[in-house]
Amino acid sequence: SQTIHQWPATLVQPVGSPLSLECTVEGTSNPNLYWYRQAAGRGLQLLFYSVGIGQISSEVPQNLSASRPQDRQFILSSKKLLLSDSGFYLCAWKPGATDTQYFGPGTRLTVL
Amino acid sequence: KQEVTQIPAALSVPEGENLVLNCSFTDSAIYNLQWFRQDPGKGLTSLLLIQSSQREQTSGRLNASLDKSSGRSTLYIAASQPGDSATYLCAVRPGQAGTALIFGKGTTLSVSS
Repeated sequence: SQTIHQWPATLVQPVGSPLSLECTVEGTSNPNLYWYRQAAGRGLQLLFYSVGIGQISSEVPQNLSASRPQDRQFILSSKKLLLSDSGFYLCAWKPGATDTQYFGPGTRLTVL
Repeated sequence: KQEVTQIPAALSVPEGENLVLNCSFTDSAIYNLQWFRQDPGKGLTSLLLIQSSQREQTSGRLNASLDKSSGRSTLYIAASQPGDSATYLCAVRPGQAGTALIFGKGTTLSVSS
């Protein structure tokens, strides 16, 4: 069966510090991968998605970036965090041939 | 630009009651619509997916309907239980070419025993 992992589960970082969130999927190959952010009082916002290794599409311009160094690994990064980067970050995957997206447990990021 | 709205934002009901959650979208040209459940501090769990050519989908006590022409979907929960307490999110996939989902802000349901 397929599983999706995210770490860390929670993170508290000072403004201006770097960020690296990791997402990995097990039990499947060549999945579509997604990064979403859920900010207080707002809906889920798609940040990045990837249909293959090294292929990243950005939905919202910001100080975040994403990379997919391996087929089942998706990384969200920032060189300098802003207060507005606080939120709940969710990774999701989708088998190429289906429509249902499966979400990870999320990372709660607080920028102080 | 596609926008998804969910009303009400919060709902409290006693156990056993049947209830309806509403979702509306501004552009009727969607590929499909999904309903998700999110427990506090957790990720999302897919409940039902309705393709644009379908009118409804059922899973257990859940029934989701889709009226694409009017830009509306409803999630019907029968015989609600305290374990149904969660936030329910509606999301549309705008077209076949892209896979991005556009989410509403959700309805937070509380079922009291």
